[in-house]
Amino acid sequence: EAGVAQSPRYKIIEKRQSVAFWCNPISGHATLYWYQQILGQGPKLLIQFQNNGVVDDSQLPKDRFSAERLKGVDSTLKIQPAKLEDSAVYLCASSTPSGANVLTFGAGSRLTVL
Amino acid sequence: KNEVEQSPQNLTAQEGEFITINCSYSVGISALHWLQQHPGGGIVSLFMLSSGKKKHGRLIATINIQEKHSSLHITASHPRDSAVYICAVTNTGNQFYFGTGTSLTVIP
Repeated sequence: EAGVAQSPRYKIIEKRQSVAFWCNPISGHATLYWYQQILGQGPKLLIQFQNNGVVDDSQLPKDRFSAERLKGVDSTLKIQPAKLEDSAVYLCASSTPSGANVLTFGAGSRLTVL
Repeated sequence: KNEVEQSPQNLTAQEGEFITINCSYSVGISALHWLQQHPGGGIVSLFMLSSGKKKHGRLIATINIQEKHSSLHITASHPRDSAVYICAVTNTGNQFYFGTGTSLTVIP
C-alpha cells in the first residue's frame, strides 16, 4: 500500500511570499489532516477534512492559511503571506473515517521562512 | 491544560536499559496511539490500542481506560531507539489530540 505522499519536502521562502504544499493520502482514506509541527512541539491540527468537506478548521489562521480538498482526494495547503513564525514542518495525515483509526503520516514538508 | 500529557519530556538511557514513557489523557477516547519520530524523519505509528496491552518486538504498550493512562515500554534499549515518542488519542469524532512528545536518547 502506498503511503501518504507530500511535496515539496523542503521549501525556503522570504517573509511575505507565498507557498503551497500538496498531499495525496492513502487510497480510500476519507479523512485527511494537515498539522503544523514546530521544532520541539507535538503536531498541532490546522484543518481536518472528511471527503471534501471541512470538519475542523478552528485552529487554522484563516487570514493567511487556506486549504482545499477538491474531489475528496488530494489536498493543498497554502500560506499567503508567510511570516517568520510559520517556519515549521507541515504534516499531512490520513485515516479511515470511522471507529478507532490508524493515522498514517506523510514525511512532511519543512518550511523555512527567512 | 493539554488534553494529553506525557512524561518525561526528555529521557537519556544507557544501552540495554528498560525504558518507560507515560501518557495521561483527559478526554473520552476511542483509541490511543503511540507514534515514533526520528530526527528529521516522518512520524510512524507504533501502536494503536483501546484496551489491554500490545507487544511488537521490544516494544510494549499498555492502557488503563479507567485511569486514563498508557505506558510505552522499551526492553533492551538500543541507540537506534533514539527518537521522539508521541502519545496521541482519538475521540469518537475522529479528532486527534497529541502530547508534546518524549525525546529519548539511548547512549551506547
